[in-house]
Amino acid sequence: GAGVSQTPSNKVTEKGKYVELRCDPISGHTALYWYRQSLGQGPEFLIYFQGTGAADDSGLPNDRFFAVRPEGSVSTLKIQRTERGDSAVYLCASSPGGGQPQHFGDGTRLSIL
Amino acid sequence: AQTVTQSQPEMSVQEAETVTLSCTYDTSESDYYLFWYKQPPSRQMILVIRQEAYKQQNATENRFSVNFQKAAKSFSLKISDSQLGDAAMYFCAYKDNYGQNFVFGPGTRLSVLP
Repeated sequence: GAGVSQTPSNKVTEKGKYVELRCDPISGHTALYWYRQSLGQGPEFLIYFQGTGAADDSGLPNDRFFAVRPEGSVSTLKIQRTERGDSAVYLCASSPGGGQPQHFGDGTRLSIL
Repeated sequence: AQTVTQSQPEMSVQEAETVTLSCTYDTSESDYYLFWYKQPPSRQMILVIRQEAYKQQNATENRFSVNFQKAAKSFSLKISDSQLGDAAMYFCAYKDNYGQNFVFGPGTRLSVLP
């Protein structure tokens, strides 16, 4: 059974560049979440999708961050004009909704040089 | 806003012994869910156990059990017969019944000593 898949697993890029991080959730899961996790800390909420719409984007740190989920399945997190402070592991999770737990991917480790 | 606190940044336990990890949370809701997740060095977050706030009975999952004290807003995790593979970061998480957002605590790093 396929779990949550995130690509790439690692991404190294230069300051100022544009990056896209992809998340493929578990089939049938309507809820999709993005988190950012810095070393030694818990996941920090970024954005939550219910279906195709962003139900809560209050965690996005600024307008350089944007995420889409056009068909209610795969989601892409986009970061423009990357800064060194954006370096972190970006986690994606999906859930059937309600009180069901989230299932996480392995994350993308983003390093901004 | 809801918050989750884990007051123990690091814990250690001898193999085969029992350890308890603490978690407290703050909410004005009466209906919610609580979770413990494990994150080994491989990075993937793995669900350990789930508790529904309206259930008074403490959840158990093999060697893992919780002590859920709703009035005190406390949700501790007990690991019995600790194994080397239990070494990981453990995160406590909260989700209310109306929203979909999960709130995570800062984590406790558990070491298991042979």
